[in-house]
Amino acid sequence: DVKVTQSSRYLVKRTGEKVFLECVQDMDHENMFWYRQDPGLGLRLIYFSYDVKMKEKGDIPEGYSVSREKKERFSLILESASTNQTSMYLCASSFRQGHGYTFGSGTRLTVV
Amino acid sequence: GQNIDQPTEMTATEGAIVQINCTYQTSGFNGLFWYQQHAGEAPTFLSYNVLDGLEEKGRFSSFLSRSKGYSYLLLKELQMKDSASYLCAVRDPRDGGFKTIFGAGTRLFVKA
Repeated sequence: DVKVTQSSRYLVKRTGEKVFLECVQDMDHENMFWYRQDPGLGLRLIYFSYDVKMKEKGDIPEGYSVSREKKERFSLILESASTNQTSMYLCASSFRQGHGYTFGSGTRLTVV
Repeated sequence: GQNIDQPTEMTATEGAIVQINCTYQTSGFNGLFWYQQHAGEAPTFLSYNVLDGLEEKGRFSSFLSRSKGYSYLLLKELQMKDSASYLCAVRDPRDGGFKTIFGAGTRLFVKA
């Protein structure tokens, strides 16, 4: 069964901490994405990557960075966590443009 | 600008038919997705429409009218397990066509 795996289901971090969210896919997909999901706002794209070592800003990249050193792994980094980054974070991958996404189970991050 | 509108909530009865509408105003268009998301879970891909018309897949059908910026998801023979959020998403052709813009979702309640 093909899968996108996010390392943590729930995380609680303190303001100012550096936070790493990991995502691994086993489908050999080219494209990987990080979204956050907030009530009433839907999914908003933070960053995406279409190849190893390539990264592109999405609609809300401020306060985040990403790393893609290997094709199967896409990491989201919160450089200095703030309370307004409390959210559900969803990682997704797709074979190529125009294909549906496969999502991970999500990481619910709380910043206190 | 990019805007996707869908109703916030709908309620329907088990065994009935329900239609979830989605309208979009986007700078470009390269296809429309529907995803299903159960509470606390990741979204799962339902359908992808590129051309006008109706695509049927079992109990679920999706319709697209590009000239009207309009789509709907039709669910037949509703079951309790269909209670979920349904996300309408438009593929944005800009920046290489990698981005997908999501609506806020329609929460469907199926009652006995």
